[in-house]
Amino acid sequence: RKEVEQDPGPFNVPEGATVAFNCTYSNSASQSFFWYRQDCRKEPKLLMSVYSSGNEDGRFTAQLNRASQYISLLIRDSKLSDSATYLCVVNQAGTALIFGKGTTLSVSS
Amino acid sequence: DTGVSQNPRHKITKRGQNVTFRCDPISEHNRLYWYRQTLGQGPEFLTYFQNEAQLEKSRLLSDRFSAERPKGSFSTLEIQRTEQGDSAMYLCASSLLFAEAFFGQGTRLTVV
Repeated sequence: RKEVEQDPGPFNVPEGATVAFNCTYSNSASQSFFWYRQDCRKEPKLLMSVYSSGNEDGRFTAQLNRASQYISLLIRDSKLSDSATYLCVVNQAGTALIFGKGTTLSVSS
Repeated sequence: DTGVSQNPRHKITKRGQNVTFRCDPISEHNRLYWYRQTLGQGPEFLTYFQNEAQLEKSRLLSDRFSAERPKGSFSTLEIQRTEQGDSAMYLCASSLLFAEAFFGQGTRLTVV
């Protein structure tokens, strides 16, 4: 089983749609969780950290379920500029940040 | 610019040559990571440092790869006897312990 698994995608949605990405992680000792965004041929950039109580940043909402070892990202009112690859990232004590393979989102007009 | 800096941005080398990449992290960050990424894949972990100590190295990493962070500041990644399969984007990131990581723009390696 891979350490961090994501929906394979791609997700193709119209502008204004709501889309959700899921991610599962295998190590229950994981301590920190993040969503990164990566545009084509660019470096990953932090989108948001994920907290146990859930957190929201504008149109983006992240949720963490430690019991199920599950992380989600919800994007409301999708914009063309949201088109990118979204990477789920998990940090465990004493180890490096582990990335999922990413989920590609394409928003069309 | 106080972000993560990587040099060179692009490198073309002949198969069998050695290459070295440099990463300058954000100055107060104690963790430094190296990843490799090919098209359509997420970043693949190579190795990471906490200060000057190399704490983990991927089991998938060939002995041709070596990394150093001599004074706990900048880091170098060397690939010896390059192969065509080494062609990829090499990403460096830095962070504080358990905090989010910030990436450099990467070094794109092409082995011909």
